[in-house]
Amino acid sequence: AQSVTQLGSHVSVSEGALVLLRCNYSSSVPPYLFWYVQYPNQGLQLLLKYTTGATLVKGINGFEAEFKKSETSFHLTKPSAHMSDAAEYFCAVSGASNDYKLSFGAGTTVTVRA
Amino acid sequence: NAGVTQTPKFRVLKTGQSMTLLCAQDMNHEYMYWYRQDPGMGLRLIHYSVGEGTTAKGEVPDGYNVSRLKKQNFLLGLESAAPSQTSVYFCASKRGTGNEQFFGPGTRLTVL
Repeated sequence: AQSVTQLGSHVSVSEGALVLLRCNYSSSVPPYLFWYVQYPNQGLQLLLKYTTGATLVKGINGFEAEFKKSETSFHLTKPSAHMSDAAEYFCAVSGASNDYKLSFGAGTTVTVRA
Repeated sequence: NAGVTQTPKFRVLKTGQSMTLLCAQDMNHEYMYWYRQDPGMGLRLIHYSVGEGTTAKGEVPDGYNVSRLKKQNFLLGLESAAPSQTSVYFCASKRGTGNEQFFGPGTRLTVL
């Protein structure tokens, strides 16, 4: 069984400030972890993923996330927010032994203040 | 490549009506998935397929049926629509040896 918890359904940041989105997961299989972004009225786009190897993963648009097994976390960060980062962000977990089905968190909506 | 496409983009149904949502992918992917997205709940898996001719239930399968007669297409059917099925539906696909799912643009369905 897998589940994902995203802390905070809404996050508001100033342009240029740090973006931090929190994600904790539970998984009975070695996890694959993902962050997806959804812009208004669009589908989901992959930001980054962790499968194996280096625990700090870099994604598109300056985002990165660190897999911490001891904390069962996969928090997403960006050092300096841009207006174009306003979107909804989803953390998801899957495993090879369960047909790679994704379990999603509830999502975090990011607004960026000028 | 068009990637993952979904038809239609919008639909309004009356309670009890039926309809089929079509998902098509041109990437020769083995796996295909149907999700529904509801506010505050993220995406939830309805049904999925690990290959042509196979289907399996996901987290919220009740009231839906699926078919994968061709590798590139994955159909989601609602036999008797209910207001609780008002949602945005997303299709995704994944190649056999990869782990990333590629998503379509979604279908917004309203059941009155």
